[in-house]
Amino acid sequence: ILNVEQSPQSLHVQEGDSTNFTCSFPSSNFYALHWYRWETAKSPEALFVMTLNGDEKKKGRISATLNTKEGYSYLYIKGSQPEDSATYLCASNTGNQFYFGTGTSLTVIP
Amino acid sequence: NAGVTQTPKFQVLKTGQSMTLQCAQDMNHEYMSWYRQDPGMGLRLIHYSVGAGITDQGEVPNGYNVSRSTTEDFPLRLLSAAPSQTSVYFCASSYLGQGDYTFGSGTRLTVV
Repeated sequence: ILNVEQSPQSLHVQEGDSTNFTCSFPSSNFYALHWYRWETAKSPEALFVMTLNGDEKKKGRISATLNTKEGYSYLYIKGSQPEDSATYLCASNTGNQFYFGTGTSLTVIP
Repeated sequence: NAGVTQTPKFQVLKTGQSMTLQCAQDMNHEYMSWYRQDPGMGLRLIHYSVGAGITDQGEVPNGYNVSRSTTEDFPLRLLSAAPSQTSVYFCASSYLGQGDYTFGSGTRLTVV
C-alpha cells in the first residue's frame, strides 16, 4: 500500500488569486502520478499524467510539476475562477494498482 | 459514446442481503477497477482487472467478489452486506498502462 498525501485538506481563495497544492508519494517503485479534478455530484475527471522527473504539464490556467526523486508533485492554478471550485485528487500507481490521496478541496470565492 | 456506466445510482440493503453493482464501458479499455470512497479515506481500490478472465485484489477486497467475463463488463458482488460496506462505489476504466481513468458516476450504497 502506498501512502499518498495531499495538502492542504481544504483551501478558500478569492477570485483572481493564484494558488497551489501539494501531493507527496513514495519515490521508490514509482510509475506515474495522476491529477484529477472532482466536482461535487460528478465523477473524477483526469487532468494530468506525469511519469518523468521534472515533467511539467499545462492545461489552460492549471499546471503541474513532478519531482520523482523527492516524491512530490505541485498543482498550480493561475487566476482562480469560481468554476475551479472542486476537489483535486492525486494518485500514484505502481503497475496496476493506483493509490489516491484524500484530495484538496478548493473553494474560489467570487 | 456512453463511457463508463454504473447502475444503480442508489441502493439501500439490509444486513446480510446480497447484490451486484454493475459497471460497463464501451471504450474497449482493458483495465477496469472498483473503488470505494469513504469520508476522510479517499478512494480505495477494491478489485481490478487487466482483461477478460483476469482479476486481482486491491487494498480492501474483503466482502467483495468480481468477475470479468467480457472486456465491457466488470460487476462487483456483495455476498452478505454489512453496515461497514456503506459507502460510495466508483467503477473506473482505462487503456492498460496509460492510467487516465474514466470514472463512472458512482453508486451510493447504504447498508442498514
